[in-house]
Amino acid sequence: SQQGEEDPQALSIQEGENATMNCSYKTSINNLQWYRQNSGRGLVHLILIRSNEREKHSGRLRVTLDTSKKSSSLLITASRAADTASYFCATGFYNQGGKLIFGQGTELSVKP
Amino acid sequence: NAGVTQTPKFQVLKTGQSMTLQCAQDMNHEYMSWYRQDPGMGLRLIHYSVGAGITDQGEVPNGYNVSRSTTEDFPLRLLSAAPSQTSVYFCASSYRDRGDPGTNEKLFFGSGTQLSVL
Repeated sequence: SQQGEEDPQALSIQEGENATMNCSYKTSINNLQWYRQNSGRGLVHLILIRSNEREKHSGRLRVTLDTSKKSSSLLITASRAADTASYFCATGFYNQGGKLIFGQGTELSVKP
Repeated sequence: NAGVTQTPKFQVLKTGQSMTLQCAQDMNHEYMSWYRQDPGMGLRLIHYSVGAGITDQGEVPNGYNVSRSTTEDFPLRLLSAAPSQTSVYFCASSYRDRGDPGTNEKLFFGSGTQLSVL
């Protein structure tokens, strides 16, 4: 069973606009991660937020985590055509050996 | 460093055939895992390993076997391929950040194997 539900499933925006993707999960977690997948490629880790953190930034990425609502959001500011990809949230626990539970993903299309 | 290398990139099998998907990493990571990705389903964990000689089942292990005889290699065996195993398979490796033991392990993914079972 999937841990995460992502919303929206697909998002289309113009270059320069901000893109927001949401992730909800079902059980307690230690950390939540976001990954990007370009078409036909493997996933690439973007950012990790711990359960005791509420917000984290990395370049144009901003991630928030609300453990009371079991939800997270990923904001990409000033999007570029190169940001076109699928984005996945993943949840896990300490020392689980890479045992993550992934959401279904949001497909982002950024039009030049 | 090559990172995580998967072979082959594409494979077509007939129902009932067996095969092994290869995965190797050169980062000396303790942890390795196999996921399958199906449309609309995200990634689902098949098997994972926390070190050489230690493996465990994930969410969808049926029809697959793994072994971990070395730190570097983690092959996935399909025992008798079925059309339901048509998917894209990803191998990943990770490590515990001992400088920050409270963090989860970040996954490093291979480029995937696209498998079709006819």
